[in-house]
Amino acid sequence: DAKTTQPPSMDCAEGRAANLPCNHSTISGNEYVYWYRQIHSQGPQYIIHGLKNNETNEMASLIITEDRKSSTLILPHATLRDTAVYYCIGPLENFGNEKLTFGTGTRLTIIP
Amino acid sequence: DVKVTQSSRYLVKRTGEKVFLECVQDMDHENMFWYRQDPGLGLRLIYFSYDVKMKEKGDIPEGYSVSREKKERFSLILESASTNQTSMYLCASSSPGLRAYEQYFGPGTRLTVT
Repeated sequence: DAKTTQPPSMDCAEGRAANLPCNHSTISGNEYVYWYRQIHSQGPQYIIHGLKNNETNEMASLIITEDRKSSTLILPHATLRDTAVYYCIGPLENFGNEKLTFGTGTRLTIIP
Repeated sequence: DVKVTQSSRYLVKRTGEKVFLECVQDMDHENMFWYRQDPGLGLRLIYFSYDVKMKEKGDIPEGYSVSREKKERFSLILESASTNQTSMYLCASSSPGLRAYEQYFGPGTRLTVT
């Protein structure tokens, strides 16, 4: 069973920042949160992950609350190509021996 | 650019046929995975492998087997295809340790069993 909670769908205007929330209230210790997305008819794509500090890469930023029980994935300037299902996965231990559980994710639609 | 390739994008097979789905990665990854994806059920792990000739069952291994004779290649075998195995099949690979969670996926094979 997925241990994260995400809204089923969101819309965002093209060029605006898309903020996708995720609740992971059972997180503890050295557990990570990972984000993937899946564009229609493609395989999932890894985006970013975090432990407790905010993270940024060329695709997105990840903001984790101080209590670590929720996080927000930010796509700073959304484009039509960002329309996809976004999966928040975790919490995952830092040994790499757990399975990825893809829940139903958030279907993000970028509106022209 | 890293790449995971799968032998077919679309495949149509008859009930009872033996089906081979091939996956090749060029990243020298130790870990390889097979998932299936169905509407409303998300991605489900079928089998995975941490090394050549090693395999582990995932959540739904029944009706499937796998083979990993070379590091770069991971094959999924449907011994006797059935209609309930109609699905999208996705292969992935990753490095070991914490980077195991950074999986690179192939484009998928949409299999239809009639």
